[in-house]
Amino acid sequence: AQRVTQPEKLLSVFKGAPVELKCNYSYSGSPELFWYVQYSRQRLQLLLRHISRESIKGFTADLNKGETSFHLKKPFAQEEDSAMYYCALPDQGGKLIFGQGTELSVKP
Amino acid sequence: DTEVTQTPKHLVMGMTNKKSLKCEQHMGHRAMYWYKQKAKKPPELMFVYSYEKLSINESVPSRFSPECPNSSLLNLHLHALQPEDSALYLCASSQAGGAFNEQFFGPGTRLTVL
Repeated sequence: AQRVTQPEKLLSVFKGAPVELKCNYSYSGSPELFWYVQYSRQRLQLLLRHISRESIKGFTADLNKGETSFHLKKPFAQEEDSAMYYCALPDQGGKLIFGQGTELSVKP
Repeated sequence: DTEVTQTPKHLVMGMTNKKSLKCEQHMGHRAMYWYKQKAKKPPELMFVYSYEKLSINESVPSRFSPECPNSSLLNLHLHALQPEDSALYLCASSQAGGAFNEQFFGPGTRLTVL
Protein backbone atom coordinates (compact mmCIF):
# COMPACT_ATOMS: atom_id res chain seq x y z
CA ALA A 1 0.00 0.00 0.00
CA GLN A 2 1.14 3.51 -0.69
CA ARG A 3 2.32 5.36 2.36
CA VAL A 4 4.09 8.61 3.25
CA THR A 5 6.11 8.94 6.43
CA GLN A 6 7.34 12.17 7.97
CA PRO A 7 9.25 11.04 11.05
CA GLU A 8 9.57 14.45 12.72
CA LYS A 9 6.48 16.00 14.24
CA LEU A 10 8.37 19.18 15.16
CA LEU A 11 11.62 20.61 13.88
CA SER A 12 13.10 23.65 15.55
CA VAL A 13 16.08 25.53 14.10
CA PHE A 14 17.65 28.95 14.42
CA LYS A 15 17.45 31.55 11.70
CA GLY A 16 20.23 31.06 9.17
CA ALA A 17 20.70 27.39 9.96
CA PRO A 18 20.20 24.69 7.33
CA VAL A 19 16.97 22.77 7.50
CA GLU A 20 15.95 19.35 6.22
CA LEU A 21 12.42 17.99 6.56
CA LYS A 22 12.33 14.26 6.00
CA CYS A 23 9.85 12.39 3.86
CA ASN A 24 9.90 8.69 3.03
CA TYR A 25 7.41 6.92 0.85
CA SER A 26 6.33 3.47 -0.23
CA TYR A 27 5.05 3.17 -3.77
CA SER A 28 5.37 0.64 -6.55
CA GLY A 29 6.36 2.38 -9.73
CA SER A 30 7.58 5.90 -10.42
CA PRO A 31 6.06 8.22 -7.84
CA GLU A 32 5.01 11.82 -8.24
CA LEU A 33 5.67 13.61 -4.96
CA PHE A 34 4.63 16.97 -3.59
CA TRP A 35 5.45 19.22 -0.69
CA TYR A 36 2.54 21.33 0.54
CA VAL A 37 2.94 24.12 3.10
CA GLN A 38 0.42 25.66 5.47
CA TYR A 39 1.45 28.94 7.08
CA SER A 40 -0.41 30.07 10.18
CA ARG A 41 -3.93 31.28 9.25
CA GLN A 42 -3.26 30.73 5.55
CA ARG A 43 -4.48 28.17 3.08
CA LEU A 44 -2.66 24.98 2.27
CA GLN A 45 -0.61 25.54 -0.87
CA LEU A 46 1.77 23.66 -3.08
CA LEU A 47 5.42 24.45 -2.32
CA LEU A 48 7.05 22.25 -4.92
CA ARG A 49 6.67 19.01 -6.78
CA HIS A 50 9.12 16.43 -7.98
CA ILE A 51 8.29 16.65 -11.66
CA SER A 52 8.90 20.39 -11.99
CA ARG A 53 12.32 20.33 -10.29
CA GLU A 54 11.92 23.98 -9.33
CA SER A 55 13.36 25.74 -6.31
CA ILE A 56 10.66 27.70 -4.49
CA LYS A 57 11.46 30.16 -1.69
CA GLY A 58 14.93 28.63 -1.56
CA PHE A 59 13.59 25.11 -0.89
CA THR A 60 14.61 22.11 -2.96
CA ALA A 61 13.71 18.44 -2.83
CA ASP A 62 15.33 15.56 -4.65
CA LEU A 63 13.70 12.24 -5.25
CA ASN A 64 15.95 9.40 -4.13
CA LYS A 65 14.41 6.18 -5.43
CA GLY A 66 17.04 4.01 -3.76
CA GLU A 67 16.20 5.39 -0.33
CA THR A 68 12.55 6.06 -1.26
CA SER A 69 12.90 9.59 0.08
CA PHE A 70 11.92 13.11 -0.96
CA HIS A 71 13.48 15.27 1.72
CA LEU A 72 12.89 19.03 1.68
CA LYS A 73 15.96 21.19 2.18
CA LYS A 74 16.88 24.81 2.57
CA PRO A 75 20.41 26.02 3.24
CA PHE A 76 19.50 29.06 5.36
CA ALA A 77 16.18 29.04 7.23
CA GLN A 78 14.21 32.27 7.67
CA GLU A 79 11.64 33.08 10.35
CA GLU A 80 8.92 33.31 7.70
CA ASP A 81 9.54 29.64 6.86
CA SER A 82 7.82 28.66 10.12
CA ALA A 83 4.81 26.58 9.07
CA MET A 84 3.37 23.07 8.79
CA TYR A 85 4.87 21.09 5.92
CA TYR A 86 3.19 18.05 4.39
CA CYS A 87 4.74 15.61 1.99
CA ALA A 88 2.12 14.04 -0.32
CA LEU A 89 1.89 11.23 -2.84
CA PRO A 90 -0.94 10.67 -5.33
CA ASP A 91 -2.21 7.12 -5.37
CA GLN A 92 -3.53 5.37 -8.44
CA GLY A 93 -7.07 5.62 -7.14
CA GLY A 94 -7.14 9.40 -7.50
CA LYS A 95 -6.41 10.30 -3.89
CA LEU A 96 -3.61 12.39 -2.42
CA ILE A 97 -1.92 10.60 0.47
CA PHE A 98 -0.48 13.03 3.00
CA GLY A 99 2.21 12.41 5.55
CA GLN A 100 1.48 13.37 9.15
CA GLY A 101 3.22 16.70 8.71
CA THR A 102 6.23 18.40 10.25
CA GLU A 103 5.90 21.66 12.10
CA LEU A 104 8.93 23.82 11.35
CA SER A 105 9.76 26.50 13.88
CA VAL A 106 12.52 28.95 12.97
CA LYS A 107 13.73 30.91 15.98
CA PRO A 108 15.35 34.35 15.71
CA ASP B 1 -9.64 34.34 -10.79
CA THR B 2 -7.08 31.83 -9.50
CA GLU B 3 -8.46 31.17 -6.05
CA VAL B 4 -10.82 28.76 -4.40
CA THR B 5 -13.28 30.59 -2.17
CA GLN B 6 -15.23 29.15 0.72
CA THR B 7 -18.13 30.50 2.74
CA PRO B 8 -18.72 30.94 5.56
CA LYS B 9 -15.34 31.39 7.22
CA HIS B 10 -16.70 30.31 10.59
CA LEU B 11 -19.79 28.34 11.52
CA VAL B 12 -21.19 27.41 14.91
CA MET B 13 -24.09 24.98 14.94
CA GLY B 14 -26.03 22.84 17.31
CA MET B 15 -26.42 19.12 16.89
CA THR B 16 -29.95 19.47 15.54
CA ASN B 17 -29.20 22.21 13.01
CA LYS B 18 -28.96 21.95 9.24
CA LYS B 19 -26.36 24.10 7.54
CA SER B 20 -24.37 24.15 4.31
CA LEU B 21 -20.80 24.96 3.36
CA LYS B 22 -20.11 26.46 -0.02
CA CYS B 23 -17.06 26.31 -2.27
CA GLU B 24 -16.48 28.06 -5.58
CA GLN B 25 -13.73 28.11 -8.20
CA HIS B 26 -13.48 29.75 -11.62
CA MET B 27 -10.27 28.16 -12.87
CA GLY B 28 -12.05 25.71 -15.14
CA HIS B 29 -11.06 22.81 -12.91
CA ARG B 30 -13.17 19.68 -13.28
CA ALA B 31 -12.19 17.90 -10.07
CA MET B 32 -13.30 19.20 -6.68
CA TYR B 33 -12.65 17.84 -3.21
CA TRP B 34 -13.84 18.09 0.39
CA TYR B 35 -11.36 17.50 3.19
CA LYS B 36 -11.63 17.60 6.96
CA GLN B 37 -8.64 18.85 8.93
CA LYS B 38 -7.96 18.80 12.65
CA ALA B 39 -5.33 21.07 14.20
CA LYS B 40 -1.76 20.22 13.17
CA LYS B 41 -2.97 17.11 11.32
CA PRO B 42 -3.01 16.43 7.59
CA PRO B 43 -6.23 16.92 5.65
CA GLU B 44 -8.44 13.81 5.51
CA LEU B 45 -10.20 13.27 2.22
CA MET B 46 -13.98 13.07 2.41
CA PHE B 47 -15.34 13.34 -1.15
CA VAL B 48 -14.11 13.80 -4.71
CA TYR B 49 -16.20 15.05 -7.62
CA SER B 50 -14.93 14.56 -11.12
CA TYR B 51 -16.85 16.21 -13.97
CA GLU B 52 -19.67 16.94 -11.51
CA LYS B 53 -20.09 13.29 -10.58
CA LEU B 54 -19.20 11.86 -7.19
CA SER B 55 -16.19 9.63 -7.80
CA ILE B 56 -14.89 9.01 -4.28
CA ASN B 57 -16.72 8.84 -0.95
CA GLU B 58 -14.33 7.91 1.83
CA SER B 59 -17.03 6.17 3.88
CA VAL B 60 -18.18 9.49 5.28
CA PRO B 61 -21.21 9.37 7.63
CA SER B 62 -24.49 10.30 5.96
CA ARG B 63 -24.84 13.39 8.15
CA PHE B 64 -22.45 14.92 5.58
CA SER B 65 -24.02 15.25 2.14
CA PRO B 66 -22.06 16.67 -0.78
CA GLU B 67 -23.53 18.31 -3.83
CA CYS B 68 -21.99 19.61 -7.04
CA PRO B 69 -24.59 21.80 -8.80
CA ASN B 70 -22.20 22.77 -11.61
CA SER B 71 -18.54 22.66 -12.51
CA SER B 72 -17.72 25.76 -10.42
CA LEU B 73 -19.65 25.04 -7.25
CA LEU B 74 -19.40 22.47 -4.51
CA ASN B 75 -21.59 22.31 -1.43
CA LEU B 76 -21.45 20.27 1.73
CA HIS B 77 -24.76 19.91 3.54
CA LEU B 78 -24.56 19.24 7.25
CA HIS B 79 -27.26 17.71 9.42
CA ALA B 80 -27.30 16.28 12.94
CA LEU B 81 -23.59 16.67 13.42
CA GLN B 82 -21.67 15.57 16.49
CA PRO B 83 -19.18 17.61 18.54
CA GLU B 84 -16.34 15.46 17.16
CA ASP B 85 -17.18 16.81 13.70
CA SER B 86 -15.77 20.17 14.77
CA ALA B 87 -12.84 20.85 12.44
CA LEU B 88 -11.58 22.95 9.55
CA TYR B 89 -13.34 21.90 6.34
CA LEU B 90 -11.27 22.46 3.24
CA CYS B 91 -12.37 22.55 -0.34
CA ALA B 92 -9.89 22.02 -3.15
CA SER B 93 -9.95 21.85 -6.92
CA SER B 94 -7.67 20.57 -9.64
CA GLN B 95 -7.61 19.96 -13.33
CA ALA B 96 -9.29 16.71 -14.20
CA GLY B 97 -7.01 13.74 -13.92
CA GLY B 98 -7.06 13.23 -10.23
CA ALA B 99 -4.44 13.57 -7.59
CA PHE B 100 -1.47 13.82 -9.97
CA ASN B 101 -2.43 17.42 -10.65
CA GLU B 102 -1.78 20.24 -8.20
CA GLN B 103 -4.69 20.79 -5.87
CA PHE B 104 -5.65 24.38 -5.08
CA PHE B 105 -7.10 24.74 -1.61
CA GLY B 106 -9.58 27.20 -0.22
CA PRO B 107 -9.05 28.93 3.13
CA GLY B 108 -11.48 26.58 4.84
CA THR B 109 -14.57 26.87 7.00
CA ARG B 110 -13.94 26.46 10.70
CA LEU B 111 -16.88 24.50 12.05
CA THR B 112 -17.79 24.22 15.71
CA VAL B 113 -20.55 21.82 16.74
CA LEU B 114 -22.02 22.45 20.16
